Amino acid sequence: DIQMTQSPSTLSASVGDRVTITCRASQSISSWLAWYQQKPGKAPKLLIYKASFLESGVPSRFSGSGSGTDFTLTISSLQPEDFATYYCQQYTSHSRTFGQGTKVEIK
Amino acid sequence: EVQLLESGGGLVQPGGSLRLSCAASGFTFSAYAMSWVRQAPGKGLEWVSATTDNGDASYYSDSVKGRFTVSRDNSKNILYLQMNSLRAEDTAIFYCARGAYCSSTTCIFDSWGQGTLVTVSA
Repeated sequence: DIQMTQSPSTLSASVGDRVTITCRASQSISSWLAWYQQKPGKAPKLLIYKASFLESGVPSRFSGSGSGTDFTLTISSLQPEDFATYYCQQYTSHSRTFGQGTKVEIK
Repeated sequence: EVQLLESGGGLVQPGGSLRLSCAASGFTFSAYAMSWVRQAPGKGLEWVSATTDNGDASYYSDSVKGRFTVSRDNSKNILYLQMNSLRAEDTAIFYCARGAYCSSTTCIFDSWGQGTLVTVSA
Protein backbone atom coordinates (compact mmCIF):
# COMPACT_ATOMS: atom_id res chain seq x y z
CA ASP A 1 0.00 0.00 0.00
CA ILE A 2 1.02 3.57 -0.59
CA GLN A 3 1.88 5.37 2.64
CA MET A 4 1.17 9.06 3.11
CA THR A 5 3.22 11.06 5.61
CA GLN A 6 2.26 14.58 6.65
CA SER A 7 4.42 17.13 8.41
CA PRO A 8 4.25 18.69 10.83
CA SER A 9 1.76 16.79 12.99
CA THR A 10 0.89 19.98 14.83
CA LEU A 11 1.41 23.55 13.78
CA SER A 12 0.93 26.66 15.94
CA ALA A 13 0.18 29.83 14.02
CA SER A 14 -1.46 33.22 14.33
CA VAL A 15 -4.23 34.83 12.35
CA GLY A 16 -2.73 36.31 9.19
CA ASP A 17 0.19 33.87 9.04
CA ARG A 18 1.14 31.99 5.90
CA VAL A 19 0.91 28.29 6.67
CA THR A 20 2.35 25.37 4.73
CA ILE A 21 1.63 21.68 5.32
CA THR A 22 3.59 18.96 3.56
CA CYS A 23 2.45 15.53 2.42
CA ARG A 24 4.83 12.89 1.09
CA ALA A 25 3.83 9.67 -0.68
CA SER A 26 5.86 6.47 -0.40
CA GLN A 27 5.78 6.16 -4.19
CA SER A 28 4.76 8.36 -7.07
CA ILE A 29 1.06 9.19 -7.21
CA SER A 30 1.32 11.64 -10.11
CA SER A 31 -1.14 14.42 -9.14
CA TRP A 32 -3.77 12.17 -7.57
CA LEU A 33 -3.84 13.92 -4.24
CA ALA A 34 -6.62 15.58 -2.28
CA TRP A 35 -6.68 17.76 0.83
CA TYR A 36 -9.47 17.87 3.42
CA GLN A 37 -10.21 20.07 6.40
CA GLN A 38 -11.89 18.68 9.49
CA LYS A 39 -13.17 20.63 12.45
CA PRO A 40 -13.95 18.98 15.81
CA GLY A 41 -17.17 16.98 15.74
CA LYS A 42 -17.67 17.57 12.05
CA ALA A 43 -17.21 15.54 8.88
CA PRO A 44 -14.21 16.31 6.68
CA LYS A 45 -14.58 18.88 3.93
CA LEU A 46 -12.87 18.62 0.56
CA LEU A 47 -10.54 21.56 -0.16
CA ILE A 48 -8.26 20.55 -3.03
CA TYR A 49 -8.29 17.74 -5.58
CA LYS A 50 -5.80 16.58 -8.18
CA ALA A 51 -3.09 18.29 -6.15
CA SER A 52 -3.93 21.87 -7.10
CA PHE A 53 -7.57 22.22 -8.09
CA LEU A 54 -9.69 24.21 -5.64
CA GLU A 55 -13.05 22.70 -4.80
CA SER A 56 -16.01 24.95 -5.51
CA GLY A 57 -16.75 27.32 -2.65
CA VAL A 58 -13.35 26.98 -0.99
CA PRO A 59 -11.66 30.34 -0.32
CA SER A 60 -8.80 31.26 -2.64
CA ARG A 61 -6.39 31.61 0.30
CA PHE A 62 -6.11 27.81 0.11
CA SER A 63 -3.82 26.41 -2.57
CA GLY A 64 -2.16 23.12 -3.33
CA SER A 65 0.92 22.16 -5.29
CA GLY A 66 3.21 19.25 -6.06
CA SER A 67 3.35 16.07 -8.08
CA GLY A 68 5.00 12.69 -7.86
CA THR A 69 5.72 12.17 -4.17
CA ASP A 70 5.86 15.64 -2.62
CA PHE A 71 2.89 17.93 -2.09
CA THR A 72 2.02 21.05 -0.13
CA LEU A 73 -1.11 22.75 1.11
CA THR A 74 -0.71 26.47 1.67
CA ILE A 75 -3.01 28.86 3.48
CA SER A 76 -1.88 32.33 2.40
CA SER A 77 -3.35 34.26 5.33
CA LEU A 78 -4.71 32.15 8.17
CA GLN A 79 -8.22 33.07 9.29
CA PRO A 80 -9.91 32.18 12.61
CA GLU A 81 -12.13 29.61 10.88
CA ASP A 82 -9.07 27.81 9.48
CA PHE A 83 -7.99 26.34 12.80
CA ALA A 84 -8.68 22.68 12.17
CA THR A 85 -7.03 19.40 11.23
CA TYR A 86 -5.95 18.87 7.64
CA TYR A 87 -5.56 15.52 5.87
CA CYS A 88 -4.06 14.58 2.56
CA GLN A 89 -5.29 11.54 0.63
CA GLN A 90 -3.92 9.71 -2.37
CA TYR A 91 -6.28 8.25 -4.93
CA THR A 92 -4.14 6.47 -7.43
CA SER A 93 -4.71 3.07 -5.88
CA HIS A 94 -7.77 1.39 -4.45
CA SER A 95 -6.31 1.67 -0.98
CA ARG A 96 -6.86 5.49 -1.16
CA THR A 97 -4.82 6.14 1.99
CA PHE A 98 -4.91 9.26 4.13
CA GLY A 99 -2.08 11.03 5.82
CA GLN A 100 -2.12 11.06 9.62
CA GLY A 101 -3.31 14.65 9.79
CA THR A 102 -1.89 18.07 10.68
CA LYS A 103 -3.56 20.02 13.44
CA VAL A 104 -3.37 23.79 13.00
CA GLU A 105 -3.61 25.43 16.42
CA ILE A 106 -3.85 29.00 17.62
CA LYS A 107 -0.48 30.36 18.71
CA GLU B 1 -28.45 20.05 -1.79
CA VAL B 2 -26.53 16.82 -1.37
CA GLN B 3 -27.47 15.02 1.84
CA LEU B 4 -26.07 11.81 3.26
CA LEU B 5 -27.60 10.48 6.46
CA GLU B 6 -26.01 7.50 8.21
CA SER B 7 -27.79 5.30 10.70
CA GLY B 8 -27.44 1.93 12.38
CA GLY B 9 -24.52 2.58 14.69
CA GLY B 10 -24.51 1.54 18.31
CA LEU B 11 -22.91 -0.66 20.94
CA VAL B 12 -22.11 -4.24 19.93
CA GLN B 13 -20.12 -6.99 21.60
CA PRO B 14 -16.89 -8.31 20.10
CA GLY B 15 -17.71 -10.91 17.47
CA GLY B 16 -21.08 -9.36 16.82
CA SER B 17 -22.63 -7.85 13.71
CA LEU B 18 -24.11 -4.53 12.71
CA ARG B 19 -25.51 -3.07 9.51
CA LEU B 20 -25.05 0.59 8.72
CA SER B 21 -27.22 2.50 6.27
CA CYS B 22 -26.65 5.75 4.44
CA ALA B 23 -29.67 7.46 2.91
CA ALA B 24 -28.78 9.75 0.04
CA SER B 25 -30.75 12.65 -1.39
CA GLY B 26 -30.25 15.76 -3.49
CA PHE B 27 -28.35 14.04 -6.31
CA THR B 28 -28.63 11.13 -8.71
CA PHE B 29 -27.41 8.40 -6.37
CA SER B 30 -27.06 5.77 -9.09
CA ALA B 31 -24.51 7.92 -10.94
CA TYR B 32 -21.93 7.99 -8.16
CA ALA B 33 -19.46 5.61 -6.58
CA MET B 34 -19.83 5.61 -2.80
CA SER B 35 -17.51 4.83 0.07
CA TRP B 36 -17.38 4.27 3.79
CA VAL B 37 -14.64 6.02 5.76
CA ARG B 38 -14.11 5.62 9.49
CA GLN B 39 -12.39 7.54 12.25
CA ALA B 40 -11.47 5.95 15.56
CA PRO B 41 -11.86 8.23 18.59
CA GLY B 42 -9.13 10.89 18.52
CA LYS B 43 -7.50 9.34 15.46
CA GLY B 44 -7.22 10.02 11.74
CA LEU B 45 -9.31 9.00 8.76
CA GLU B 46 -9.28 5.47 7.36
CA TRP B 47 -10.98 4.47 4.12
CA VAL B 48 -12.96 1.26 4.68
CA SER B 49 -14.88 0.27 1.59
CA ALA B 50 -16.17 1.49 -1.75
CA THR B 51 -18.65 0.42 -4.37
CA THR B 52 -19.09 1.50 -7.97
CA ASP B 53 -22.12 3.45 -9.15
CA ASN B 54 -24.09 0.38 -10.16
CA GLY B 55 -22.71 -1.84 -7.40
CA ASP B 56 -20.99 -4.27 -9.75
CA ALA B 57 -17.64 -3.93 -7.99
CA SER B 58 -16.61 -3.45 -4.38
CA TYR B 59 -13.32 -2.70 -2.68
CA TYR B 60 -12.14 -3.07 0.90
CA SER B 61 -9.26 -2.08 3.09
CA ASP B 62 -7.12 -4.97 4.31
CA SER B 63 -8.31 -4.32 7.86
CA VAL B 64 -11.94 -5.21 7.05
CA LYS B 65 -11.65 -7.54 4.06
CA GLY B 66 -13.60 -10.73 4.64
CA ARG B 67 -15.60 -9.22 7.51
CA PHE B 68 -17.39 -6.23 5.99
CA THR B 69 -19.62 -6.14 2.91
CA VAL B 70 -20.72 -2.99 1.11
CA SER B 71 -23.88 -2.91 -0.97
CA ARG B 72 -26.34 -0.41 -2.35
CA ASP B 73 -29.96 -0.18 -3.39
CA ASN B 74 -30.17 2.37 -6.17
CA SER B 75 -33.97 2.13 -6.23
CA LYS B 76 -34.06 3.38 -2.63
CA ASN B 77 -30.95 5.60 -2.74
CA ILE B 78 -29.37 3.75 0.18
CA LEU B 79 -25.81 2.58 0.78
CA TYR B 80 -25.17 -0.23 3.27
CA LEU B 81 -22.26 -1.63 5.21
CA GLN B 82 -22.72 -5.07 6.75
CA MET B 83 -20.14 -5.55 9.48
CA ASN B 84 -19.49 -9.01 10.89
CA SER B 85 -16.96 -10.41 13.36
CA LEU B 86 -16.55 -6.98 14.91
CA ARG B 87 -13.48 -6.22 16.97
CA ALA B 88 -12.67 -3.57 19.56
CA GLU B 89 -10.43 -1.87 17.00
CA ASP B 90 -13.45 -1.33 14.74
CA THR B 91 -14.77 1.24 17.22
CA ALA B 92 -15.11 4.44 15.22
CA ILE B 93 -17.36 6.99 13.66
CA PHE B 94 -18.35 5.65 10.24
CA TYR B 95 -18.98 8.18 7.49
CA CYS B 96 -20.49 7.55 4.10
CA ALA B 97 -19.03 9.68 1.35
CA ARG B 98 -19.76 10.38 -2.29
CA GLY B 99 -17.07 9.67 -4.85
CA ALA B 100 -15.90 12.45 -7.18
CA TYR B 101 -13.00 13.66 -9.32
CA CYS B 102 -12.00 10.08 -10.02
CA SER B 103 -8.65 8.87 -11.29
CA SER B 104 -8.59 5.82 -13.55
CA THR B 105 -8.96 3.58 -10.53
CA THR B 106 -10.59 5.43 -7.69
CA CYS B 107 -12.28 8.57 -6.41
CA ILE B 108 -12.04 11.09 -3.62
CA PHE B 109 -14.93 12.30 -1.54
CA ASP B 110 -16.75 15.55 -2.21
CA SER B 111 -19.71 15.09 0.17
CA TRP B 112 -19.84 13.38 3.55
CA GLY B 113 -22.55 12.40 5.99
CA GLN B 114 -22.46 13.40 9.64
CA GLY B 115 -21.32 9.92 10.69
CA THR B 116 -22.64 7.18 12.95
CA LEU B 117 -20.73 5.87 15.96
CA VAL B 118 -19.98 2.17 16.26
CA THR B 119 -18.69 0.98 19.63
CA VAL B 120 -17.42 -2.58 19.98
CA SER B 121 -17.12 -3.50 23.62
CA ALA B 122 -18.10 -6.22 26.06
